Amino acid sequence: NAGVMQNPRHLVRRRGQEARLRCSPMKGHSHVYWYRQLPEEGLKFMVYLQKENIIDESGMPKERFSAEFPKEGPSILRIQQVVRGDSAAYFCASSAAGAQPQHFGDGTRLSIL
Amino acid sequence: GQQLNQSPQSMFIQEGEDVSMNCTSSSIFNTWLWYKQDPGEGPVLLIALYKAGELTSNGRLTAQFGITRKDSFLNISASIPSDVGIYFCAGHINAGGTSYGKLTFGQGTILTVHP
Repeated sequence: NAGVMQNPRHLVRRRGQEARLRCSPMKGHSHVYWYRQLPEEGLKFMVYLQKENIIDESGMPKERFSAEFPKEGPSILRIQQVVRGDSAAYFCASSAAGAQPQHFGDGTRLSIL
Repeated sequence: GQQLNQSPQSMFIQEGEDVSMNCTSSSIFNTWLWYKQDPGEGPVLLIALYKAGELTSNGRLTAQFGITRKDSFLNISASIPSDVGIYFCAGHINAGGTSYGKLTFGQGTILTVHP
């Protein structure tokens, strides 16, 4: 499968724990984007990364959230000290270049108990 | 922040009917994209538009990039049951800086097709 791969598909955490969401882009893509989707809403941009660099993090909450895309391995979206309001579907997308069409993974559904 | 207004919010149609949905914004867009999302899955790219006035088809789907660069529409002809899903418009706003990669999404159109 050459598509965008996200894992886990479902993640349950208790308040105060850490959540780590992983994304492997499509083969040949070096641009990765993270979006958040609440029920019955459109996707909201969080962050745009290119290998080892954060290009645009204008949609990231100022605290508890971080993202990385190391030289080797998948992109990671990390949420520290999760709260109930972090419950959402988190989608990763990738593209071959910055303004090219983005292809999405099937998301990670994060539930906070 | 910038907003995309997508309409209608939902549509209930009979199989075989044609469907039209659109998105408008107060901002100028460099690209317009249309995605379909099924429950429990990620958005799937249907059509990408790059130039003002561009009209592009993908099977029974046709989309256009508005001349003003502030709107786009998607038409589905002769709908079938598997067209059911949520359709999103999205685009890259002409904002410069490092925001060139950011996609802004509409609120979605929920399509129901009755056999």
